[in-house]
This record gives sequence, C-alpha cells and structure tokens, in this order.
Amino acid sequence: AQTVTQSQPEMSVQEAETVTLSCTYDTSESDYYLFWYKQPPSRQMILVIRQEAYKQQNATENRFSVNFQKAAKSFSLKISDSQLGDAAMYFCAYRRVMAGGGADGLTFGKGTHLIIQP
Amino acid sequence: EAGVAQSPRYKIIEKRQSVAFWCNPISGHATLYWYQQILGQGPKLLIQFQNNGVVDDSQLPKDRFSAERLKGVDSTLKIQPAKLEDSAVYLCASSLNLNTEAFFGQGTRLTVV
Repeated sequence: AQTVTQSQPEMSVQEAETVTLSCTYDTSESDYYLFWYKQPPSRQMILVIRQEAYKQQNATENRFSVNFQKAAKSFSLKISDSQLGDAAMYFCAYRRVMAGGGADGLTFGKGTHLIIQP
Repeated sequence: EAGVAQSPRYKIIEKRQSVAFWCNPISGHATLYWYQQILGQGPKLLIQFQNNGVVDDSQLPKDRFSAERLKGVDSTLKIQPAKLEDSAVYLCASSLNLNTEAFFGQGTRLTVV
C-alpha cells in the first residue's frame, strides 16, 4: 500500500519570505501523480500544484514550485513571497495510475499547518 | 460553473443513530469520490464511483457504511448505526474522468455524541 508522510506538523514563515514544506512517499509503482492541496478553514480542498512522475521537470505555478526527487521518493513544495492568504493546512497526496489509463483515488499525508506571520 | 455541492454542512447525532450525506458533483463529471477526514489527519478514500459503478470501496467499512450513485449523478453516503469514531468531515469530490483533476466540496462535519 502506498503511504505519504509529512514530517512537519506546523511551519511558520514571515510574510514575503520563502518556505518549503516536505513530503516523502512510499510506492512500488513507476507511474503515478503527486499533488499538493491547500485546505483553508472553509474545509474545501484546493489543488495547488500537480506533478506527473514520468516528467523530470519540476512543476511550477506562479509562486508555488516543487522539488521532485523520484529516486528519493521526495516531493517538497516551495512557496515564494508568502502571503497572508497562503495560511492553511497543506496536504501532500499520491495517486497511482492504473493499467488502462485511469487512476486511483488520492492517498493523503497528515498535513502541515502553515502560519504566515505579518 | 457550479462546484461540488454537499449537504448538510453540519450534523450532530447520537451513537447508534443513522445519518445520510448527499453530494451533487460538477455537471458532466463521471467520477465521484467520498473521503473521510478525521480531525488532525488527511482525508482517507472511502469509495470511488465511475458513473454508477463502484471502482474502489476497499476502505469502506461495509458493516455500517453504504454509498450509492443512482443514475450516475448524485450520490448519498449512509452510516447505520453510527459510532463515536465516525466523527469526522466527509468530503465529496468529482472529476471529469478517472485521470483528471478532482474538485472537492466543502464537506459535511459529523459529530457523534
């Protein structure tokens, strides 16, 4: 079974600074997706960024970028120029690609609570 | 475009009672998921539908939980009878198909007392 581990229960960063959230995963599969989701107090999970395992290039979305190390099974999220609106729970998630092209449901880590200090 | 709709937002019941949650996915989305999120943890997949067929229900406690997706659109998740450890947020998500992005609803917070 796949597992996702987030070792930082809480992180704090000053507004406008850069912060990196860590994630490791365990799988024997070679084809999968990795995600970072944001969950504000409203509880709605919002997709931040997505990485396909077959792609060597790290994904970026504006101020959000990942460092994907497939051999090390590591997938960290870097948030640049942190803003007050970035404060939330951040979840790393894994999704196995099935034979035939479909994909499993998401397997989530326990989350990291990100605090932005003004 | 309307998002994933869930109701109710909150529910409080006594243990051994029954409860049902409703989810209306984004129009045209064939895949629907139910997740359970216990406080302090990440969501855990309970069941995944493709249209009105079950793709994965391996983590659904079938002795007390049931889910259906009649006509491949709306879905209901039922718990009968509820236990204290079922207290959690129940999230519904949908995606266009099995390998596209999942969009989440705002969830139903269940408290069992």
